[in-house]
Amino acid sequence: GENVEQHPSTLSVQEGDSAVIKCTYSDSASNYFPWYKQELGKGPQLIIDIRSNVGEKKDQRIAVTLNKTAKHFSLHITETQPEDSAVYFCAASKASYDKVIFGPGTSLSVIP
Amino acid sequence: KAGVTQTPRYLIKTRGQQVTLSCSPISGHRSVSWYQQTPGQGLQFLFEYFSETQRNKGNFPGRFSGRQFSNSRSEMNVSTLELGDSALYLCASSAGNSDTQYFGPGTRLTVL
Repeated sequence: GENVEQHPSTLSVQEGDSAVIKCTYSDSASNYFPWYKQELGKGPQLIIDIRSNVGEKKDQRIAVTLNKTAKHFSLHITETQPEDSAVYFCAASKASYDKVIFGPGTSLSVIP
Repeated sequence: KAGVTQTPRYLIKTRGQQVTLSCSPISGHRSVSWYQQTPGQGLQFLFEYFSETQRNKGNFPGRFSGRQFSNSRSEMNVSTLELGDSALYLCASSAGNSDTQYFGPGTRLTVL
């Protein structure tokens, strides 16, 4: 079955710097890759997603890139702010009705 | 639009008991998925329901079961609780023909 790896497990950056989180997946049939942000005591919140027919997607300070050949996808956060501090999860799935497989998460700390 | 709601938010049970958790999806969403989140195993897929039918199931024992009602509300049941069932149980809904899942705040289950 699908396996999603995520690195690093923890990341600490200075406010204003960029943060990059990288994920790899194993199943070449996966075609949907969402990213979730989870704050303490809350459920995961979708922040951006990308499909296999797109190589890059950007939404304000957040961007995601996908390399289908290498089965890699990455989250880029620019101009980080303290409120970006949270746990970030990457995920992969094959179809709208298929189960979503999550990576183990990255705990991001933005130091003011 | 109201988000995904889950009740109760917190539960304390003892080993051997059973528990029922409830999830109300976003209005109009017909797909409901359940996940278990623990510090050691991360986010793991339990099962997914669409139009009252289970379409997908994760690798959990038969003690974990679920159902979906005609109004798309879903319940999951865990019988013969074990200490290892202590976790945050998350429900996510989607439009059924869409990949995007929206999570509720979760139910924190503690088994003593």
